[in-house]
Amino acid sequence: GAVVSQHPSRVICKSGTSVKIECRSLDFQATTMFWYRQFPKKSLMLMATSNEGSKATYEQGVEKDKFLINHASLTLSTLTVTSAHPEDSSFYICSAYPIAGTYNEQFFGPGTRLTVL
Amino acid sequence: GENVEQHPSTLSVQEGDSAVIKCTYSDSASNYFPWYKQELGKGPQLIIDIRSNVGEKKDQRIAVTLNKTAKHFSLHITETQPEDSAVYFCAATDGNEKLTFGTGTRLTIIP
Repeated sequence: GAVVSQHPSRVICKSGTSVKIECRSLDFQATTMFWYRQFPKKSLMLMATSNEGSKATYEQGVEKDKFLINHASLTLSTLTVTSAHPEDSSFYICSAYPIAGTYNEQFFGPGTRLTVL
Repeated sequence: GENVEQHPSTLSVQEGDSAVIKCTYSDSASNYFPWYKQELGKGPQLIIDIRSNVGEKKDQRIAVTLNKTAKHFSLHITETQPEDSAVYFCAATDGNEKLTFGTGTRLTIIP
């Protein structure tokens, strides 16, 4: 089956630093990847749509200058949380939509737990 | 935009019994309805999905039904096992690739 990986799985950083999270599709290509944020015991909230070779599309209320997204290849998208603060602590999950996949089927990564001290 | 409601928020069933989780959606243009299972500290895993041209789909102990007229769809798990304990999310999309998730159901299987 299609596999999506995320790195790192956990990261702890100091307030004011930047953190980069990688999302990779391991056995398929994806022109579109999605980034979600999930608070404890809550649902997934779509942050942005990452498009290979073009700018990401951000959902309303998501600061694009704070959450930088780069989709440099058909298998890699990165999310950089810039000048992180404690309120950015969350579980970040990516998903990938295969180029040659079944209509609408997305595959999710295992998530990255970000803790900002 | 699409709005997906999910009930119940928590559900406890005896091992071997059946569990049913229900979702309603608002956008009549939605045509793809996946269900995800999320275990603690992990990403969501697709367990079953259904498209709007089908009323029911079954995969071993898991089944999903869709009522387009009423705009609701349900997940049915039969012969529940302890490993079915997890949080389950329904979702809907109208084909624009964006998924709108329900609020989740924490399912606990009592041994």
